[in-house]
Amino acid sequence: EAGVTQFPSHSVIEKGQTVTLRCDPISGHDNLYWYRRVMGKEIKFLLHFVKESKQDESGMPNNRFLAERTGGTYSTLKVQPAELEDSGVYFCASSQRKMNTEAFFGQGTRLTVV
Amino acid sequence: AQTVTQSQPEMSVQEAETVTLSCTYDTSESDYYLFWYKQPPSRQMILVIRQEAYKQQNATENRFSVNFQKAAKSFSLKISDSQLGDAAMYFCAYRSRNFGNEKLTFGTGTRLTIIP
Repeated sequence: EAGVTQFPSHSVIEKGQTVTLRCDPISGHDNLYWYRRVMGKEIKFLLHFVKESKQDESGMPNNRFLAERTGGTYSTLKVQPAELEDSGVYFCASSQRKMNTEAFFGQGTRLTVV
Repeated sequence: AQTVTQSQPEMSVQEAETVTLSCTYDTSESDYYLFWYKQPPSRQMILVIRQEAYKQQNATENRFSVNFQKAAKSFSLKISDSQLGDAAMYFCAYRSRNFGNEKLTFGTGTRLTIIP
């Protein structure tokens, strides 16, 4: 069974440009989460999808970030326009929609804004 | 809001020795989960061990065990017989048991180096 897959693994963009990150969760996992780790700091929650609906988007830093999960399968996280402070590693995780379940993580996308 | 603190940015241990990674947390909830995740270099994060707060018995997974002190809000990870493959970033994490509030709250991580 394929794990959580994230594309691209690395991205370097200039300030002001747009970048779209993609996450393919494990098949059948209704929960999908986005997290971000800024260098040397904790991994912070961004948002949580249940199928195609946003269950919790309290961690989204500002309106330059847009997450979608059309059809309840893969998800995209778009940053437009990117700022220097958006640099970090973006993680996606998925899990089944039930209690006491484990979240599986992707390898992350390392975003560098220059 | 919950917080998780890992006070050891880096740790090192001799191969085959034992090392303990510290984690403290703060919450007003009485029931929750605690986790240790491991992220090897350039690889995905994987779950090492999980503890349910209502269980008094400390969780154990082979060479990995935890010391869960609920009153002190402490959750340390002990790795016995350290192996080269244990080298990684280790993250402590908290999750509420409330259905619908399933996000993980992480600490800043501890980078573990294994000395051959």
